[in-house]
Parts: sequence; C-alpha cells; structure tokens
Amino acid sequence: ETGVTQTPRHLVMGMTNKKSLKCEQHLGHNAMYWYKQSAKKPLELMFVYNFKEQTENNSVPSRFSPECPNSSHLFLHLHTLQPEDSALYLCASSQATANTEAFFGQGTRLTVV
Amino acid sequence: GESVGLHLPTLSVQEGDNSIINCAYSNSASDYFIWYKQESGKGPQFIIDIRSNMDKRQGQRVTVLLNKTVKHLSLQIAATQPGDSAVYFCAEKPRYNFNKFYFGSGTKLNVKP
Repeated sequence: ETGVTQTPRHLVMGMTNKKSLKCEQHLGHNAMYWYKQSAKKPLELMFVYNFKEQTENNSVPSRFSPECPNSSHLFLHLHTLQPEDSALYLCASSQATANTEAFFGQGTRLTVV
Repeated sequence: GESVGLHLPTLSVQEGDNSIINCAYSNSASDYFIWYKQESGKGPQFIIDIRSNMDKRQGQRVTVLLNKTVKHLSLQIAATQPGDSAVYFCAEKPRYNFNKFYFGSGTKLNVKP
C-alpha cells in the first residue's frame, strides 16, 4: 500500500462516453502527477500539479482534462477517447516536484472500445 | 507489471545470485538518475536515486553505479530473491525542469527459485 489510491481499477468505455478517473493521497504531498503506461511506449508523463496548480502539460490531447480540486485529490476527465488511448493510467504524488521519490497508485486499466 | 506486452529485455537469475540491470541515457543535463521497480499489478515503486555528481550509491542490497563518460547507469541487486522479480525502470530528472521525469523502457527480472 503506497498511500495513493486510484479508482476505478478497470474501466471500459465507448468512444462517445465521458468518464473520470480519480486519484487520492493522504500523504501530505504537494505534487501530483498523471502518467500513461501503454504496451508500446515507456511510461509517459501527462500532467503535473504543484500545490493544486497545473505546472506541466506534456502536449496531451484536450480529450484528457485534469482537475485538482485540492492537494489530496486529482481527477482525469475523459471525453471522446480513441482506441489508441487504451492503456494503464497511473497517478503519483511526491512531497515536492523536485523530489525523486514518487509514490504511485496501482493504476486504472482503461480500454476504449 | 502492467507493462506486459512490451518486448522488454529480460534478465533471468538464480535465487541468491547477484543481478545487474543496465540502462543507457542520453540527456547529459539530468540532475538525478533514479531506479524504480514495478511488480505485476502494481504501480512503480522507488528503489534508489543518485545525483549526477556521484559515481556510486548504496542502499539495502542495492547499489547504483553511474558512468557519465559513457552515459550508463546500472543497478546491482545482491543476493537476488524471488520477491525481486519485477520490471525495473531507470528514470532521469532533468536539471532544467524539476517537474519532469523521463522513464526508460524497462528490464524484466525473473528470479528462478
């Protein structure tokens, strides 16, 4: 148990659906991250939030929309996804963005049909 | 780990032997190099890091070596145990942007009992 919880663990959605992924940490960390892990690429950083403010958007398509209402919660809103967006989406947190140790959740396995 | 499907290089070792996992990097501007481990069904887990001004750092049963001349990073695991079976990723944290982590594609370690 890393202290970072993601829900749901598995999600199947159609290309016209809207869904949201949730991440929660009660470690007192100030930085939170979304990563994409797919079968054909290394782990890709998507978004970084620091003290609830987005500090990094790694050229992510607008069909992925993050939200960070407070330092403990991070959402990834999904809309009009493509089959190639199917992947494992991992949330992580760290005390600060400068820290090398990030704590990852178990991920949400997303399948777009 | 959830990176199954990748054509990962695989290292098979006998329980009790030492393991050496290698990683080549390309960015000379990285400030930290980090090793993460990902077990099946889990998110990545921090193992150890090394700052770019160091050559060697030791942890519990693990040693990381950094050779900046040839841009090579290695993780040595002493007395490998079945619980060490996982995918191991090296990662870089660039000096110019502390928000970023760049992950390598990973090496799968199989420990045979």
